[in-house]
Formats: sequence, structure tokens, C-alpha cells
Amino acid sequence: NAGVTQTPKFQVLKTGQSMTLQCAQDMNHNSMYWYRQDPGMGLRLIYYSASEGTTDKGEVPNGYNVSRLNKREFSLRLESAAPSQTSVYFCASSPTSGGSQETQYFGPGTRLLVL
Amino acid sequence: LAKTTQPISMDSYEGQEVNITCSHNNIATNDYITWYQQFPSQGPRFIIQGYKTKVTNEVASLFIPADRKSSTLSLPRVSLSDTAVYYCLVGVPLGGSARQLTFGSGTQLTVLP
Repeated sequence: NAGVTQTPKFQVLKTGQSMTLQCAQDMNHNSMYWYRQDPGMGLRLIYYSASEGTTDKGEVPNGYNVSRLNKREFSLRLESAAPSQTSVYFCASSPTSGGSQETQYFGPGTRLLVL
Repeated sequence: LAKTTQPISMDSYEGQEVNITCSHNNIATNDYITWYQQFPSQGPRFIIQGYKTKVTNEVASLFIPADRKSSTLSLPRVSLSDTAVYYCLVGVPLGGSARQLTFGSGTQLTVLP
């Protein structure tokens, strides 16, 4: 099992460019998440999906869109990248669908630099 | 949105016990408290989870007082490989039955020889 995989590992964009970050999990998990991690800020939730076909906003959704393509895949799209979106992006999954016990499994991250 | 609060950093020596506390005054009633460990250039990794009192596994213990407004991660006899950032994760209520998972800002633990 690969667990949670993310592509690309690293990306440089110019302001205004668009891109999609890909995430896939092979653990048959119901829930998937996208976080961003900035220095000294910990992890902040961008969007999550409690099940295939549903998505909900997290703490910092502005400037992002997501798609839960199927149970395995959850993509994050930046339509017009801004320097403020320079960050490390983590995808995670959990077996439950928003229950009180949430054990999340994280991918290795995508480092995004917006110039 | 209520925040979770952790110390920014802690230093310890090999073989000592380390306790890291997270304050979460507004934790959602039914939510568990989960702690994660993160090494540089890696995603966070689950360490331990609990709802109340004390939980122990092969790597750590978690102490949660009755009011659940804080929790303490205890790492027994740390080694150099325990140098990492440690995060607590709780759910905080948004209104009605909605809640949002919120990570603490993390505690950088440095274990010295």
C-alpha cells in the first residue's frame, strides 16, 4: 500500500497562473482533506470531503477549489495563484466520515512557490 | 474560532520524560483529542488519541483532565530521534452540530545528547 500520495512534490508558479494539486489514497478511506502549512502557523484546513461527491470549506478556502473525483482522489485547484499561496500543501485521508474519532493519514506534501 | 495553544518549543535531554501541553478551551463535546508528530519534509504522523482521563500506547501517554480543556502528551525517555514538531488536533464547534478540526500551532521538541 502506498498510503496517501501527492503530485507534484514541488512546483514554481508565476502570479496568475493556475495549477491542480493531485492527491490519491489506496486505503479505501471515506474522508479526505487539504491543508496548507506556513512557517509558525501549523496546519490550516482548506477543504475537506467527508465522502465521495461531497466537499466542504475549511478554515482558509478562499482562492482554492476542490474536486472529489472518486473515492480515491481529491484534487486542489488554484485558479489564479498569488504569492500569499506560497506554502506546503498536505493531503490527508481518514477512514471515518466526520465522526468524533478522526485519525488522519497524511501524504508527503507539495511545496508550492508563487513568484 | 477558538484556537488551540501549545508552547512554541521545548528542549530536553536524552532519557528524560517530556510533557507537552495543549490548551483547547472550546473543544467540541463529542470530539477526541489527537496528537501528531512531524519530521522535516514529511507529513504529520499519528501518535495517540483520547477522549478523557489517560490513554497509553507503545510510544506515548495522553493525559486529559475532566474538563477536557487541555491535554498533555507525555513521551517517556526521549531519544534524539524524537526531535520533531508535535501537534494537537481537536474539533471546535461552529454552531449547531457543525465543528471544525483545528490543529495547534505545534511544539518543536529538540532532544539534546
